[in-house]
Amino acid sequence: NAGVTQTPKFQVLKTGQSMTLQCAQDMNHNSMYWYRQDPGMGLRLIYYSASEGTTDKGEVPNGYNVSRLNKREFSLRLESAAPSQTSVYFCASILAGGPDTQYFGPGTRLTVL
Amino acid sequence: AQSVTQLDSQVPVFEEAPVELRCNYSSSVSVYLFWYVQYPNQGLQLLLKYLSGSTLVESINGFEAEFNKSQTSFHLRKPSVHISDTAEYFCAVRNQAGTALIFGKGTTLSVSS
Repeated sequence: NAGVTQTPKFQVLKTGQSMTLQCAQDMNHNSMYWYRQDPGMGLRLIYYSASEGTTDKGEVPNGYNVSRLNKREFSLRLESAAPSQTSVYFCASILAGGPDTQYFGPGTRLTVL
Repeated sequence: AQSVTQLDSQVPVFEEAPVELRCNYSSSVSVYLFWYVQYPNQGLQLLLKYLSGSTLVESINGFEAEFNKSQTSFHLRKPSVHISDTAEYFCAVRNQAGTALIFGKGTTLSVSS
């Protein structure tokens, strides 16, 4: 049982390049989330997927797209990376939308030059 | 709109001293509150949560938090900290729609000998 996994762990991009961050969970959770963490800002929600086949915007969705590929996988895509997207990205999952424990992946550290 | 305010961005303490990390929330509906801990270069882990019932909740490693409805607070305390408690601590509240967590900006606890 690996929990929530993320790939890659580190990535350096040039401005304008695109990339996809991958996330997978093996806990049969329904809801999945993408956050970004910046110093002094805490975690801010980018997008979430309450269930397979649905996605919704969070607090800071601009510049990102997501795909809920199946129940296990939820990817985050940067179509044209900008320096402002330099951050640490965390994926998380939860069994249901209620007060259950949210489980986090180890994070992807992205630098955009 | 719901929000979480962590009143201290950094808390330096000496080993074996008591510590309190302060968290205030705003919410007009039923409240579910969480404390997460992030050790260096890792993802977030649940420390403890308040869902209902006893207003005092405890973690397995000696932390406790008290839900105070009148003061809209959920402060985290430990009577005697260890070097290994050095980490960033996040307070969170479930959003009104029940779809995601709203995080505070975090408090860095630094324990020195």
